[in-house]
Amino acid sequence: KAGVTQTPRYLIKTRGQQVTLSCSPISGHRSVSWYQQTPGQGLQFLFEYFSETQRNKGNFPGRFSGRQFSNSRSEMNVSTLELGDSALYLCASSTQGGTPSTDTQYFGPGTRLTVL
Amino acid sequence: AQTVTQSQPEMSVQEAETVTLSCTYDTSESNYYLFWYKQPPSRQMILVIRQEAYKQQNATENRFSVNFQKAAKSFSLKISDSQLGDTAMYFCAFMKPLSGQGGKLIFGQGTELSVKP
Repeated sequence: KAGVTQTPRYLIKTRGQQVTLSCSPISGHRSVSWYQQTPGQGLQFLFEYFSETQRNKGNFPGRFSGRQFSNSRSEMNVSTLELGDSALYLCASSTQGGTPSTDTQYFGPGTRLTVL
Repeated sequence: AQTVTQSQPEMSVQEAETVTLSCTYDTSESNYYLFWYKQPPSRQMILVIRQEAYKQQNATENRFSVNFQKAAKSFSLKISDSQLGDTAMYFCAFMKPLSGQGGKLIFGQGTELSVKP
């Protein structure tokens, strides 16, 4: 099976712009989670989507949003970019909650976002 | 709220030797899952091993094993016969699954492991 894919792998934006990141989960996986990784804050949970619905949300401002499509692909959008949004954004997929094997999240390679 | 603590920011080990990475966590839950992920320089997060809290038996995956002490809320990772390819950042993670509602991973700050030839 193909793994989780994320596009683009690298992005450079300027403050005030917006950006959209894409994540394609492993075939058959219906849950997609997003994480932000920075040197200062480490890995932080952004949100999770399941069956096109946001099921869980972390403590991030409303500038961070996402959506999921019927084929389980997910996009994450950040509006009005700030310097502090520079980070590695990781996407992870799993089948669905309930048992360890289905709760295990498998990660994509990440999108490195740089905000200038 | 759950927290995960990795007290060793950096560690090094000689090739073929054994190394243990520490992780403690804080939770009031009785049912949860614990994971170790590795992140090599490529930044790809790779699952190393997982443990269900209700299982007393420690999980093992080839050269990787855990020492899960539920009462002490400790979850250490032992890497035997270390290889150069084990060089990576290792993250301990906690998940409290919510039935039908998924679950989010809570990560520790990571331990950077260097395997030296």
